[in-house]
Amino acid sequence: EIVMTQSPATLSVSPGERATLSCRASQSVSSNLAWYQQKPGQSPRLLIYGASTRATGIPARFSGSGSGTEFTLTISSLQSEDFAVYYCQQYNNWPPEYTFGQGTKLEIK
Amino acid sequence: QVQLVQSGAEVKKPGASVKVSCKVSGYTFTSYGISWVRQAPGQGLEWMGWISTYNDNIKYAQKFQGRVTMTTDTSTGTAYMELRSLRSDDTAVYYCARDRQRTFDSWGQGILVTVSS
Repeated sequence: EIVMTQSPATLSVSPGERATLSCRASQSVSSNLAWYQQKPGQSPRLLIYGASTRATGIPARFSGSGSGTEFTLTISSLQSEDFAVYYCQQYNNWPPEYTFGQGTKLEIK
Repeated sequence: QVQLVQSGAEVKKPGASVKVSCKVSGYTFTSYGISWVRQAPGQGLEWMGWISTYNDNIKYAQKFQGRVTMTTDTSTGTAYMELRSLRSDDTAVYYCARDRQRTFDSWGQGILVTVSS
């Protein structure tokens, strides 16, 4: 099973600043990597898929990069609504199989 | 718009089974598969399995093999997930999600399943 490790566990950033979240896979997942945002009491929301493609309606301040085993989610200028927990997820095309990272909590500094 | 509406909260005793539903609207049910994901209180997301709504192909996460059954009813556009032999550590919010090109682009609201004696 592919293990996804996110760092840091908690990230404290001031509004308007840049946030950089990391995700590492235990073996190569190519570009089969997605990022989700989850706010308290809400369902997760897809942000990025294919490592770098923004999902429909996602603001341009969210960007993803990386391939193989190292991935990054960058939020260029934090807005108040961006403080949440972020999960990376690797996916296998066939058979379908998925693994989530343990999450990074992005909190207001 | 795309919606996945799940059934209500459940309370079960250890050893019992639970079957939760996920009714979709706003798109053709058989166009995309459904995955089930759970989240224990204060914990992260855990994928449980995937079902094709087109031909009922299924892939369960190894952890749940033998204890979970996923089904669909194409006549009503509803997916079901049954988990058996419930334990206290099965207490979690259970989500269904539309599986579009191997990413989960729409989610149900989640169902809290509480397992307690």
